[in-house]
Order: sequence, then structure tokens, then C-alpha cells
Amino acid sequence: RKEVEQDPGPFNVPEGATVAFNCTYSNSASQSFFWYRQDCRKEPKLLMSVYSSGNEDGRFTAQLNRASQYISLLIRDSKLSDSATYLCVVNKGGSYIPTFGRGTSLIVHP
Amino acid sequence: NAGVTQTPKFQVLKTGQSMTLQCAQDMNHNSMYWYRQDPGMGLRLIYYSASEGTTDKGEVPNGYNVSRLNKREFSLRLESAAPSQTSVYFCASSEKGAANYGYTFGSGTRLTVV
Repeated sequence: RKEVEQDPGPFNVPEGATVAFNCTYSNSASQSFFWYRQDCRKEPKLLMSVYSSGNEDGRFTAQLNRASQYISLLIRDSKLSDSATYLCVVNKGGSYIPTFGRGTSLIVHP
Repeated sequence: NAGVTQTPKFQVLKTGQSMTLQCAQDMNHNSMYWYRQDPGMGLRLIYYSASEGTTDKGEVPNGYNVSRLNKREFSLRLESAAPSQTSVYFCASSEKGAANYGYTFGSGTRLTVV
């Protein structure tokens, strides 16, 4: 089993839709979790950290389920500009090395 | 605030040539990283530097060397380029290595080896 797994998609949704991505991780010692966004031919950029209690930033909600070892990202009221690849990142406690998922591609169409 | 700056942005090399990719950050971050990204493979760690004066191999270090010149700068050297090293290279940095601070990436170097 890969350390961090994501459904590559693509998820093809209309504007205004709600879409959710999951990311599973295998190392139970993982302590830090992030969602990154990567636009075509650009660098990854931090979208949001994922906290144990869950967190929300506008239309984006991130949640962590330690028991089942996955994190999720929910995007409400999708915009055309949300089209990108979403990478989940997991860090083991005390480790300097993040583990990146391969990303989930989202395409929002009119 | 420039963040992480990589140079060059594009490069074409002939097989066997050498080159150094430069990376500098102005955020006073302790840890720096070099990744390569290939279609369908995601980001793969080449080398990292947990703090100034230390470097360690990542997942795919063969064919590369690094130098942590000072706290700001972390360079990646290809001694004898091969077509398999055609890729997009990203440098990244972070505060305290991980915690809840996340990672900041440079804009990337697109390298083609012919």
C-alpha cells in the first residue's frame, strides 16, 4: 500500500457543484496534514492545513479522520477557477520529510 | 517578499553535460528540499537539508548532488545529465521541517536533456 493515496480523477463537475476528495495515509504516526493546489505548469501552493477538529476556509472544508486514516477536502459552490490538481501532504511526527499524494485532478465546467 | 526563487526557469542540456540549479529563500526557513515531478509520478524527493550544514538523500538521489551553501541557498547539481533526468524540478522550504507550517515552493525549473 502506498503511503499516501489519492484518486487521480479527473473529477468533472459543473459550476456550483459540491465536490469532495479523500486522501488515505498508511502511517499511523502521521501528525501533520495539508492540502495543496497545483495549477497546470505551476508550483504547488498551500491551500490549507488540516486540523484534528476540522477547519473551514470560505468554500473549502478540510477534515481529518485518524481512526480510518484519511483526510478529506470538500469544495462547495465550485468555480471555474477551482480547476486544478489537489495534492494531499502527510508528515510523520518529527520527520523532516513530507509525503505527497499524486494528486486529484478537478475540472469545473460551465 | 520573494519567497523561494529558482533559476533558471528553463534549460536544455545535451546528454553528458553538467549544470547546477539554484534555489534561494528569504523566509529564514531551516529546511530546504529538491523535488522532481514527472507525469503520473507525482512529486519525488531528490535531496533535502533539514538545517544549514546538513544534507540527506531522498527517494531518487542517483545522478544528483546538492550543496547547502548557507541558510538561504540550496543548489542541485547534475554532473552528467541523462535523458531520464528530463523533468520539472521544484525547490521548497519550510520552517522547522514540518510541524503545521507547510512548505513553500519555487516556480520550478523545466529541464530537458536531449
